[in-house]
Amino acid sequence: TQLLEQSPQFLSIQEGENLTVYCNSSSVFSSLQWYRQEPGEGPVLLVTVVTGGEVKKLKRLTFQFGDARKDSSLHITAAQTGDTGLYLCAGGTDSNYQLIWGAGTKLIIKP
Amino acid sequence: DAMVIQNPRYQVTQFGKPVTLSCSQTLNHNVMYWYQQKSSQAPKLLFHYYDKDFNNEADTPDNFQSRRPNTSFCFLDIRSPGLGDAAMYLCATSRGLAGIHEQFFGPGTRLTVL
Repeated sequence: TQLLEQSPQFLSIQEGENLTVYCNSSSVFSSLQWYRQEPGEGPVLLVTVVTGGEVKKLKRLTFQFGDARKDSSLHITAAQTGDTGLYLCAGGTDSNYQLIWGAGTKLIIKP
Repeated sequence: DAMVIQNPRYQVTQFGKPVTLSCSQTLNHNVMYWYQQKSSQAPKLLFHYYDKDFNNEADTPDNFQSRRPNTSFCFLDIRSPGLGDAAMYLCATSRGLAGIHEQFFGPGTRLTVL
């Protein structure tokens, strides 16, 4: 059974600080996605990474896919209160259209 | 804009009173999913349809049923809601192609059971 371990589960930091969220597995994924979910809304896709070692940037957010395609990280620089939400990683394989979900990271940015 | 729509956004029902949640999509995706999400946890997949083919998760209670009358619409029926069924219910779609994994979510329906 493929699993995605996401850490930390909860993070509360001050505005302006940096943070990193991790998503790890013992299995290889052909793609890994990051979603952000604001309170009372559905998850919104932020990025998909598909190549080992790939780095993608979305303004202050940097996403990295591990060389072996077993892990990924999300780094936020100079966090803002608008970054508050639940961050979810999810991985997929070539043989399937479904996703394996991480447990989520609840992020609170304090002003 | 192509999107996933869920109605209602908020639903209140009584213990044991059947309730139906609806989802529609304009993305023309093959797959429609229903997830249950409880506070700040990852969404839990209940079941999904690939076109007309229904795929139930092994641990989804019989109390939950689904219908997909056409490509655009999918319904979640909770036959006898219990207090433990209070949650956010999320509908999502995807293209259903191997290796193409992006899922697109609706805004969710928050279900309260009194």
